Amino acid sequence: GAGVSQSPSNKVTEKGKDVELRCDPISGHTALYWYRQRLGQGLEFLIYFQGNSAPDKSGLPSDRFSAERTGESVSTLTIQRTQQEDSAVYLCASSPLGGGGETQYFGPGTRLLVL
Amino acid sequence: QQQVKQSPQSLIVQKGGISIINCAYENTAFDYFPWYQQFPGKGPALLIAIRPDVSEKKEGRFTISFNKSAKQFSLHIMDSQPGDSATYFCAASPSGGSNYKLTFGKGTLLTVNP
Repeated sequence: GAGVSQSPSNKVTEKGKDVELRCDPISGHTALYWYRQRLGQGLEFLIYFQGNSAPDKSGLPSDRFSAERTGESVSTLTIQRTQQEDSAVYLCASSPLGGGGETQYFGPGTRLLVL
Repeated sequence: QQQVKQSPQSLIVQKGGISIINCAYENTAFDYFPWYQQFPGKGPALLIAIRPDVSEKKEGRFTISFNKSAKQFSLHIMDSQPGDSATYFCAASPSGGSNYKLTFGKGTLLTVNP
């Protein structure tokens, strides 16, 4: 079956512009995660959605970052007024239920470059 | 505050050799320890995982060794192959309400020379 897909695969933007990143999880997966991966760094948790529960937004680095999810399908991560330090790969993952010890299936990421 | 420390940052091994990557953690609430493998341009993929009730888990050429008292765990890749060349991340998640939240190490770039 299809894996997690993300679009665009690459995005170059100018400082101060808004960007929107999209994630299509594996069908039937109720849990969805966003991570940020800076060059040479590990993955940094941003936000977690599970079904109709309130999302865990504790990893969002500033109020310029927000994310939405429509039911148990598509999610969008929005970065407003982008800064150069926002340049990174943004990874989305999904898992069947969202519990501990569950395999998270990652998409290929969106490479964001802020000039 | 880095909760999962991974070393080395990079590793070069000859084909057929053993690759060893180490991780140490601080949070005693961690109770799930996966390793992810990432190839260039791809997202990470789960390789192998362990819980602290066992000291070792083996899957094919890949073994996790776990030392609960030392709060350390390691990945051993036996008979390393050029196709194993990738970045490896250790991670950990806690028990309880935030058990979905993985904390990752900074990664180890493994190069296996033919």
